[in-house]
Amino acid sequence: EAQVTQNPRYLITVTGKKLTVTCSQNMNHEYMSWYRQDPGLGLRQIYYSMNVEVTDKGDVPEGYKVSRKEKRNFPLILESPSPNQTSLYFCASRLQGGAGANVLTFGAGSRLTVL
Amino acid sequence: AQKITQTQPGMFVQEKEAVTLDCTYDTSDQSYGLFWYKQPSSGEMIFLIYQGSYDEQNATEGRYSLNFQKARKSANLVISASQLGDSAMYFCAMRGKGWAGSYQLTFGKGTKLSVIP
Repeated sequence: EAQVTQNPRYLITVTGKKLTVTCSQNMNHEYMSWYRQDPGLGLRQIYYSMNVEVTDKGDVPEGYKVSRKEKRNFPLILESPSPNQTSLYFCASRLQGGAGANVLTFGAGSRLTVL
Repeated sequence: AQKITQTQPGMFVQEKEAVTLDCTYDTSDQSYGLFWYKQPSSGEMIFLIYQGSYDEQNATEGRYSLNFQKARKSANLVISASQLGDSAMYFCAMRGKGWAGSYQLTFGKGTKLSVIP
């Protein structure tokens, strides 16, 4: 089944404890992206990647890091999480060109709470 | 800069009736695309429908149609014959241009639709 898989789905952590949210897609998509969703704010892009070793900042990159060493994986790293990073996180992917570039496929979401 | 505005934080509709969810956008790009996504209470994001700025006809996908009015910069979602399973949060989104042919997706704040039996 074509999908984007995120782990963990739920996580409670404490301020300052480094964590990584993994994201993997099996559709051979070039483009991958991370969003965070907060009540009343919709989805805001954190980082995106157009291909292996190509990443760039989105609208709210502060406090996050990403890497794209392989095409299928795009982990989101919080080096020193803070309570304002408590949110619902989505990983998404799509093709870079052609008709498939119009559809962004989302993972199921990862709900993160930072105490 | 792109902007998506959804002015209805919440809406109610009677089962089997049609409902329109509003979306207005602002962009200086000539080529752009508009999307609607559904987010049920389980949390996943489900793609519903897409409209390109140069598409001459309004997009339709089953019970979903997109009422695209370019001059008014609006892209309203119409759901016909509402079902209880349509109760969800709905997000309007727009793609703009990015370097090397890429694009980023800007989302509105969402409209929560509740279908009443």
